[in-house]
Amino acid sequence: ILNVEQSPQSLHVQEGDSTNFTCSFPSSNFYALHWYRWETAKSPEALFVMTLNGDEKKKGRISATLNTKEGYSYLYIKGSQPEDSATYLCAFNTGNQFYFGTGTSLTVIP
Amino acid sequence: GAVVSQHPSWVICKSGTSVKIECRSLDFQATTMFWYRQFPKQSLMLMATSNEGSKATYEQGVEKDKFLINHASLTLSTLTVTSAHPEDSSFYICSARQPYSNQPQHFGDGTRLSIL
Repeated sequence: ILNVEQSPQSLHVQEGDSTNFTCSFPSSNFYALHWYRWETAKSPEALFVMTLNGDEKKKGRISATLNTKEGYSYLYIKGSQPEDSATYLCAFNTGNQFYFGTGTSLTVIP
Repeated sequence: GAVVSQHPSWVICKSGTSVKIECRSLDFQATTMFWYRQFPKQSLMLMATSNEGSKATYEQGVEKDKFLINHASLTLSTLTVTSAHPEDSSFYICSARQPYSNQPQHFGDGTRLSIL
C-alpha cells in the first residue's frame, strides 16, 4: 500500500485569509496527482490533474503546484471564502490505481 | 461533465440482511469502476476494482464473499454487502474512469450504510 499523506489534517481560517496545504506521495511510480474538493453531502469534485514536475494549475482563487522529484504538491487558496469550506483530497495515480490521502478539512470562518 | 450516480444514498437495515449498492456512469462508458470505503476520519480505502466483463480485483483484506461486485455492463457496477453486520456500517462510495488515463475519477454521492 502506497503512503499518501496530507497535512494539516484540519484547518480553520478567517474569511479573506490565504491558506495552503500539502500532499506528500512516493516519488516513484508516478503517473498523475489529483486534487479533489469534497463538500459535505456531495461527491468529490475534481479540481486539478497534475502530471508534469513543476506543473502549476489555477482555477479561480485556487492553485496547485507539483514536485514529482521530491514527492509533494501544494494546494493554495487565496482570499478564502466560507464556500471554500470542504475537505480537500489528493490522490496519487500510478496509472492503474489511485491512492488517496486522508484529506485536509478546511473551515472558513465568516 | 461526467456524472456517476450511486444508489441508494442511505440504508439502514437489520443485521443479516444483504444490501445492494448500484453505481452508474450516466454519460460515459466506464470500463473500470472503483469501490471505496471510508471509516470516520480516515482516508478513502480502495476495496476493489471492478472491470467490465471480468472478475473484480479485491484489495488485500477485503473479503470477496462478503462484498460481491458485479460489473455486467459499461455503465453499471453493483456492490452487494452480504449478510451485513454492524461492523460493516460505513460510508461506501464508487467512482469511474478510463484506465491508464490521467483523467480524474468521477465519484458517486456515496452510500451511508448503517446496520442495526
